[in-house]
Amino acid sequence: QKEVEQDPGPLSVPEGAIVSLNCTYSNSAFQYFMWYRQYSRKGPELLMYTYSSGNKEDGRFTAQVDKSSKYISLFIRDSQPSDSATYLCAMSTIYGQNFVFGPGTRLSVLP
Amino acid sequence: EAEVAQSPRYKITEKSQAVAFWCDPISGHATLYWYRQILGQGPELLVQFQDESVVDDSQLPKDRFSAERLKGVDSTLKIQPAELGDSAMYLCALGSLNTGELFFGEGSRLTVL
Repeated sequence: QKEVEQDPGPLSVPEGAIVSLNCTYSNSAFQYFMWYRQYSRKGPELLMYTYSSGNKEDGRFTAQVDKSSKYISLFIRDSQPSDSATYLCAMSTIYGQNFVFGPGTRLSVLP
Repeated sequence: EAEVAQSPRYKITEKSQAVAFWCDPISGHATLYWYRQILGQGPELLVQFQDESVVDDSQLPKDRFSAERLKGVDSTLKIQPAELGDSAMYLCALGSLNTGELFFGEGSRLTVL
Protein backbone atom coordinates (compact mmCIF):
# COMPACT_ATOMS: atom_id res chain seq x y z
CA GLN A 1 0.00 0.00 0.00
CA LYS A 2 1.38 3.40 -0.98
CA GLU A 3 1.58 6.13 1.65
CA VAL A 4 -0.64 8.51 -0.30
CA GLU A 5 -3.32 7.41 -2.74
CA GLN A 6 -5.43 9.27 -5.28
CA ASP A 7 -7.84 8.12 -7.92
CA PRO A 8 -5.91 8.80 -11.14
CA GLY A 9 -9.02 9.64 -13.12
CA PRO A 10 -9.54 11.01 -15.63
CA LEU A 11 -12.44 12.85 -14.07
CA SER A 12 -14.62 14.69 -16.58
CA VAL A 13 -17.18 17.27 -15.49
CA PRO A 14 -19.23 19.94 -17.26
CA GLU A 15 -18.31 23.59 -16.87
CA GLY A 16 -19.82 25.09 -13.73
CA ALA A 17 -19.89 21.82 -11.80
CA ILE A 18 -18.54 21.38 -8.28
CA VAL A 19 -15.49 19.13 -8.35
CA SER A 20 -14.37 16.97 -5.45
CA LEU A 21 -10.82 15.62 -5.46
CA ASN A 22 -9.61 13.32 -2.73
CA CYS A 23 -6.56 11.71 -1.20
CA THR A 24 -6.24 9.02 1.41
CA TYR A 25 -3.12 8.31 3.40
CA SER A 26 -1.78 5.71 5.76
CA ASN A 27 0.63 7.66 8.01
CA SER A 28 -1.31 9.19 10.91
CA ALA A 29 1.67 11.47 11.66
CA PHE A 30 1.03 13.60 8.55
CA GLN A 31 -0.10 17.04 9.66
CA TYR A 32 0.86 19.43 6.84
CA PHE A 33 -1.15 19.13 3.64
CA MET A 34 -0.88 20.79 0.25
CA TRP A 35 -2.73 20.71 -3.04
CA TYR A 36 -1.02 21.45 -6.35
CA ARG A 37 -2.31 21.98 -9.86
CA GLN A 38 -0.10 20.80 -12.69
CA TYR A 39 -0.71 21.62 -16.33
CA SER A 40 0.77 19.36 -18.98
CA ARG A 41 4.56 19.78 -19.31
CA LYS A 42 4.64 22.37 -16.50
CA GLY A 43 5.81 22.33 -12.89
CA PRO A 44 3.27 21.92 -10.05
CA GLU A 45 1.64 25.14 -8.87
CA LEU A 46 0.71 25.45 -5.19
CA LEU A 47 -3.04 25.96 -4.65
CA MET A 48 -3.71 25.35 -0.97
CA TYR A 49 -1.70 24.66 2.17
CA THR A 50 -3.34 23.54 5.40
CA TYR A 51 -2.21 22.40 8.79
CA SER A 52 -3.90 19.66 10.80
CA SER A 53 -7.67 19.23 10.51
CA GLY A 54 -10.34 21.61 9.31
CA ASN A 55 -11.28 23.63 6.26
CA LYS A 56 -9.57 26.39 4.34
CA GLU A 57 -11.15 28.44 1.59
CA ASP A 58 -9.50 30.53 -1.12
CA GLY A 59 -11.73 31.83 -3.87
CA ARG A 60 -13.31 28.90 -5.70
CA PHE A 61 -11.14 26.39 -3.85
CA THR A 62 -11.80 24.74 -0.48
CA ALA A 63 -9.39 22.32 1.16
CA GLN A 64 -10.66 19.97 3.81
CA VAL A 65 -8.66 17.72 6.12
CA ASP A 66 -10.13 14.87 8.17
CA LYS A 67 -7.25 13.40 10.15
CA SER A 68 -9.46 10.89 11.94
CA SER A 69 -10.31 9.31 8.58
CA LYS A 70 -6.88 10.03 7.02
CA TYR A 71 -8.64 11.75 4.18
CA ILE A 72 -8.21 15.11 2.52
CA SER A 73 -10.30 16.80 -0.13
CA LEU A 74 -10.11 19.70 -2.53
CA PHE A 75 -13.37 21.20 -3.76
CA ILE A 76 -13.54 23.43 -6.82
CA ARG A 77 -16.71 25.49 -7.22
CA ASP A 78 -17.95 26.81 -10.55
CA SER A 79 -15.34 24.77 -12.42
CA GLN A 80 -13.88 26.28 -15.59
CA PRO A 81 -12.19 24.69 -18.62
CA SER A 82 -8.99 26.37 -17.42
CA ASP A 83 -9.16 24.13 -14.32
CA SER A 84 -8.41 21.14 -16.56
CA ALA A 85 -5.14 19.80 -15.19
CA THR A 86 -3.68 17.15 -12.90
CA TYR A 87 -4.21 17.78 -9.19
CA LEU A 88 -1.60 16.48 -6.78
CA CYS A 89 -1.91 16.21 -3.04
CA ALA A 90 1.16 16.30 -0.83
CA MET A 91 1.65 15.84 2.88
CA SER A 92 4.34 15.88 5.52
CA THR A 93 5.03 15.07 9.14
CA ILE A 94 7.59 17.87 9.49
CA TYR A 95 6.99 21.59 8.92
CA GLY A 96 8.21 22.50 5.45
CA GLN A 97 10.03 19.25 4.75
CA ASN A 98 9.78 15.69 3.48
CA PHE A 99 6.59 16.07 1.51
CA VAL A 100 5.15 12.86 0.06
CA PHE A 101 3.05 13.24 -3.08
CA GLY A 102 0.08 11.35 -4.38
CA PRO A 103 0.08 10.18 -8.02
CA GLY A 104 -2.37 12.91 -9.05
CA THR A 105 -5.91 13.03 -10.43
CA ARG A 106 -6.41 14.20 -14.00
CA LEU A 107 -9.39 16.57 -14.28
CA SER A 108 -11.11 17.62 -17.48
CA VAL A 109 -13.72 20.40 -17.37
CA LEU A 110 -15.78 20.36 -20.53
CA PRO A 111 -17.18 23.63 -21.94
CA GLU B 1 6.05 33.18 -3.52
CA ALA B 2 9.39 31.76 -4.60
CA GLU B 3 10.58 31.88 -8.18
CA VAL B 4 12.73 29.13 -9.55
CA ALA B 5 14.42 29.08 -12.95
CA GLN B 6 15.35 25.70 -14.41
CA SER B 7 17.33 24.81 -17.50
CA PRO B 8 17.23 23.23 -19.94
CA ARG B 9 13.46 22.87 -20.23
CA TYR B 10 13.85 19.89 -22.54
CA LYS B 11 16.74 17.50 -23.05
CA ILE B 12 16.99 14.51 -25.36
CA THR B 13 20.02 12.28 -24.95
CA GLU B 14 21.17 8.81 -25.75
CA LYS B 15 21.71 6.23 -23.04
CA SER B 16 25.18 6.18 -21.50
CA GLN B 17 25.60 9.92 -22.13
CA ALA B 18 26.02 12.49 -19.37
CA VAL B 19 23.32 15.07 -18.70
CA ALA B 20 23.08 18.03 -16.31
CA PHE B 21 20.26 20.21 -15.04
CA TRP B 22 20.47 23.61 -13.41
CA CYS B 23 18.29 25.26 -10.83
CA ASP B 24 18.59 28.98 -10.13
CA PRO B 25 16.45 30.35 -7.28
CA ILE B 26 15.47 33.89 -8.25
CA SER B 27 14.55 34.55 -4.63
CA GLY B 28 16.79 33.33 -1.85
CA HIS B 29 15.63 30.22 -0.01
CA ALA B 30 17.71 28.12 2.30
CA THR B 31 16.01 24.83 1.47
CA LEU B 32 16.24 23.45 -2.06
CA TYR B 33 14.93 20.14 -3.38
CA TRP B 34 15.31 18.05 -6.51
CA TYR B 35 12.35 15.83 -7.37
CA ARG B 36 11.85 13.35 -10.19
CA GLN B 37 8.40 12.92 -11.70
CA ILE B 38 7.76 9.98 -14.00
CA LEU B 39 4.82 10.44 -16.36
CA GLY B 40 1.55 9.65 -14.61
CA GLN B 41 3.08 9.68 -11.14
CA GLY B 42 3.65 12.21 -8.38
CA PRO B 43 7.03 13.83 -7.74
CA GLU B 44 9.52 11.76 -5.74
CA LEU B 45 12.28 13.34 -3.71
CA LEU B 46 15.83 12.81 -4.93
CA VAL B 47 17.81 15.19 -2.72
CA GLN B 48 17.26 17.99 -0.19
CA PHE B 49 19.74 20.80 0.53
CA GLN B 50 19.82 23.13 3.50
CA ASP B 51 22.04 25.98 2.31
CA GLU B 52 24.98 24.16 0.70
CA SER B 53 24.67 20.97 2.75
CA VAL B 54 22.86 17.81 1.76
CA VAL B 55 20.14 17.02 4.30
CA ASP B 56 18.62 13.97 2.63
CA ASP B 57 19.89 12.06 -0.40
CA SER B 58 18.65 8.64 0.64
CA GLN B 59 16.61 8.25 -2.58
CA LEU B 60 19.34 9.52 -4.92
CA PRO B 61 20.86 6.71 -7.05
CA LYS B 62 24.39 7.69 -6.15
CA ASP B 63 26.06 5.34 -8.62
CA ARG B 64 24.91 7.61 -11.44
CA PHE B 65 23.34 10.73 -9.95
CA SER B 66 25.11 13.59 -8.23
CA ALA B 67 23.87 16.93 -6.94
CA GLU B 68 25.58 19.99 -5.58
CA ARG B 69 24.66 23.43 -4.34
CA LEU B 70 27.76 25.53 -4.24
CA LYS B 71 27.48 28.71 -2.14
CA GLY B 72 23.99 27.67 -1.08
CA VAL B 73 22.26 29.36 -4.01
CA ASP B 74 21.95 27.65 -7.40
CA SER B 75 22.19 23.92 -7.80
CA THR B 76 23.04 21.29 -10.40
CA LEU B 77 21.83 17.72 -10.80
CA LYS B 78 23.92 15.42 -12.97
CA ILE B 79 23.28 11.98 -14.39
CA GLN B 80 26.14 9.90 -15.76
CA PRO B 81 25.57 7.58 -17.51
CA ALA B 82 21.92 8.14 -18.40
CA GLU B 83 19.69 5.09 -18.65
CA LEU B 84 16.37 4.61 -20.43
CA GLY B 85 14.53 4.55 -17.08
CA ASP B 86 15.78 8.05 -16.28
CA SER B 87 13.30 9.57 -18.72
CA ALA B 88 11.21 11.85 -16.51
CA MET B 89 10.60 15.45 -15.46
CA TYR B 90 13.24 16.75 -13.06
CA LEU B 91 11.81 19.40 -10.76
CA CYS B 92 13.60 21.86 -8.54
CA ALA B 93 11.66 23.22 -5.57
CA LEU B 94 12.28 25.79 -2.87
CA GLY B 95 11.02 25.52 0.68
CA SER B 96 9.81 28.58 2.54
CA LEU B 97 10.92 28.66 6.16
CA ASN B 98 8.31 31.32 6.90
CA THR B 99 5.26 29.50 5.59
CA GLY B 100 6.38 25.89 5.19
CA GLU B 101 5.24 25.95 1.58
CA LEU B 102 7.04 24.27 -1.32
CA PHE B 103 7.36 26.07 -4.67
CA PHE B 104 8.37 24.33 -7.90
CA GLY B 105 10.11 25.46 -11.02
CA GLU B 106 8.84 24.57 -14.48
CA GLY B 107 10.98 21.47 -14.60
CA SER B 108 13.42 19.90 -17.04
CA ARG B 109 11.99 17.12 -19.15
CA LEU B 110 14.52 14.40 -20.00
CA THR B 111 14.09 11.82 -22.72
CA VAL B 112 16.70 9.07 -22.92
CA LEU B 113 16.79 7.17 -26.21
